[in-house]
Amino acid sequence: SAVISQKPSRDICQRGTSLTIQCQVDSQVTMMFWYRQQPGQSLTLIATANQGSEATYESGFVIDKFPISRPNLTFSTLTVSNMSPEDSSIYLCSVTGSGANVLTFGAGSRLTVL
Amino acid sequence: GENVEQHPSTLSVQEGDSAVIKCTYSDSASNYFPWYKQELGKRPQLIIDIRSNVGEKKDQRIAVTLNKTAKHFSLHITETQPEDSAVYFCAAQTQTGANNLFFGTGTRLTVIP
Repeated sequence: SAVISQKPSRDICQRGTSLTIQCQVDSQVTMMFWYRQQPGQSLTLIATANQGSEATYESGFVIDKFPISRPNLTFSTLTVSNMSPEDSSIYLCSVTGSGANVLTFGAGSRLTVL
Repeated sequence: GENVEQHPSTLSVQEGDSAVIKCTYSDSASNYFPWYKQELGKRPQLIIDIRSNVGEKKDQRIAVTLNKTAKHFSLHITETQPEDSAVYFCAAQTQTGANNLFFGTGTRLTVIP
């Protein structure tokens, strides 16, 4: 399966600032997704990162708050904008390979907003 | 979109006993149902999955059953061991749009030595 590198692995940020999380995959993948996992909670899909076009956002998530880029088949970024303490969470990049449904997760980026 | 419910939220069993976790889903078009195990501080990892064209799948001590008519599926772990202690998530994949996975709320399994 694909090897996913995510950075930063963790960060502490001030309220009102923005942070960009990077996801790099060691092979070309069909689909890339961004999930959020709040403390002790399940995994919630934020958006599907589409290569060369705007991301597809799930209900409750908007582009102004979570802008996403995917310039090629191996790389994506998620920005958490104008952060508040409620954005404190783990953000996970995930991918599926061609012809398969299996979802592989990165190690996650643990974000704490003060 | 798809709605996945998972029960119980916590489960404690004695080592060697069996554990069963149950999930229901809402979208009859869903046809792929994976289970993920997440140990503390680590990423979720796939442990077993089942597709809608089969009713049961087994891999050593782990098995998953699927009832498409009732729209529910279950994870069965036999001969539990302390290293099985983790949070388990079920998920269902829709066949609309980008084939997104929707996760259940998780079950914290504790295996007592």
